[in-house]
Amino acid sequence: SQQGEEDPQALSIQEGENATMNCSYKTSINNLQWYRQNSGRGLVHLILIRSNEREKHSGRLRVTLDTSKKSSSLLITASRAADTASYFCATDAGYGGSQGNLIFGKGTKLSVKP
Amino acid sequence: DAGIIQSPKHEVTEMGQTVTLRCEPIFGHNFLFWYRDTFVQGLELLSYFRSRSIIDNAGMPTERFSAERPDGSFSTLKIQPAEQGDSAVYVCASRLPRDRGPKFSNQPQHFGDGTRLSIL
Repeated sequence: SQQGEEDPQALSIQEGENATMNCSYKTSINNLQWYRQNSGRGLVHLILIRSNEREKHSGRLRVTLDTSKKSSSLLITASRAADTASYFCATDAGYGGSQGNLIFGKGTKLSVKP
Repeated sequence: DAGIIQSPKHEVTEMGQTVTLRCEPIFGHNFLFWYRDTFVQGLELLSYFRSRSIIDNAGMPTERFSAERPDGSFSTLKIQPAEQGDSAVYVCASRLPRDRGPKFSNQPQHFGDGTRLSIL
């Protein structure tokens, strides 16, 4: 069964606008990761946020994590046409020495129009 | 850095045939994961290895699916015999082991471009 559920399923914005995608999950996690996928290509890791972190930045990306609500958001600021892709959240429930695996949501398809 | 290499990129074969997909992980990554990506279910984990040992293959849909990683480097995913419902993109990923430091240390997975399998 799906762990992460992204919202919205699809998002269309103009260049320069901000894009916000949300992810909800069901069980306790060790970390949550966001990935990007261009059509026909493999997933590319964007950012990892650990369960003891609340916010993380990487360039134009800002990720928040609320473990009490079991939710995360990915904000892309000043979007560009090249940001057009599908974005996935993935949760990792493994702790310490255990070797957990990632459970993916179905993704948000972002379209940035020039 | 060389990324993950999956072969073939596309495979078209008939029902009843044996399909063998190959994954070459990033050098030094001892964890290797096989996923299946379908339109309906999205990305689902099939099985994963730590070095040459299978840690979890509960995601394999049937006994027709098997995965091996004989020397802890490359891995193969075999479907025997293939059925039409097996058509999907099969994706391989790998990662380094978790940091041995604090509890919350982790490593991201790196993904290949996948093999698009079509069963006629």
